[in-house]
Amino acid sequence: GAGVSQSPRYKVAKRGQDVALRCDPISGHVSLFWYQQALGQGPEFLTYFQNEAQLDKSGLPSDRFFAERPEGSVSTLKIQRTQQEDSAVYLCASSLEGVRIGELFFGEGSRLTVL
Amino acid sequence: SQQGEEDPQALSIQEGENATMNCSYKTSINNLQWYRQNSGRGLVHLILIRSNEREKHSGRLRVTLDTSKKSSSLLITASRAADTASYFCAPPRDTGRRALTFGSGTRLQVQP
Repeated sequence: GAGVSQSPRYKVAKRGQDVALRCDPISGHVSLFWYQQALGQGPEFLTYFQNEAQLDKSGLPSDRFFAERPEGSVSTLKIQRTQQEDSAVYLCASSLEGVRIGELFFGEGSRLTVL
Repeated sequence: SQQGEEDPQALSIQEGENATMNCSYKTSINNLQWYRQNSGRGLVHLILIRSNEREKHSGRLRVTLDTSKKSSSLLITASRAADTASYFCAPPRDTGRRALTFGSGTRLQVQP
């Protein structure tokens, strides 16, 4: 596709359920980022991939959060045993370059509501 | 980790007026980016300014960078109702880290 695609756009989960959020980056983009955005706040960094390697996961808030990008393209963010504080929009972004910091292309986000 | 902080938090102006948003950051940077976010949408890249540039223009946008003061500003001239959005500056998260960091943004409302 022409842009970064995220699915699902909306997800409602009961507390304690596991969820999986998918990101399809722009084809050929080396870098992929996940951000969490609470209502009224700016995006908070979660994790970063360069190709299939997860080079920075220091932003993941707990060990319930796990991300992967096994073939260096599609990425999945998994949240286990969801809690109400996990309710947020999860944004994925990709970037062409792997060395320099360049322009990030964001998806529309996946809005997670935990009841 | 460092975080860009935008000022003001909210700004309301009339169409045709100019809008100025400021950003401060903490550590040395190679470049700084500005993004825009319409309500309920993803962020869109506006402009990137490198540390050896003091000013950069793109259409109605003008960005300045003062590395000695660790600050940047975004000026939107002749604003339009369609400019209504949140605006974020995005310095690198930390020296040597590749991710960008975002503050809470400036919510700009342009009244028609």
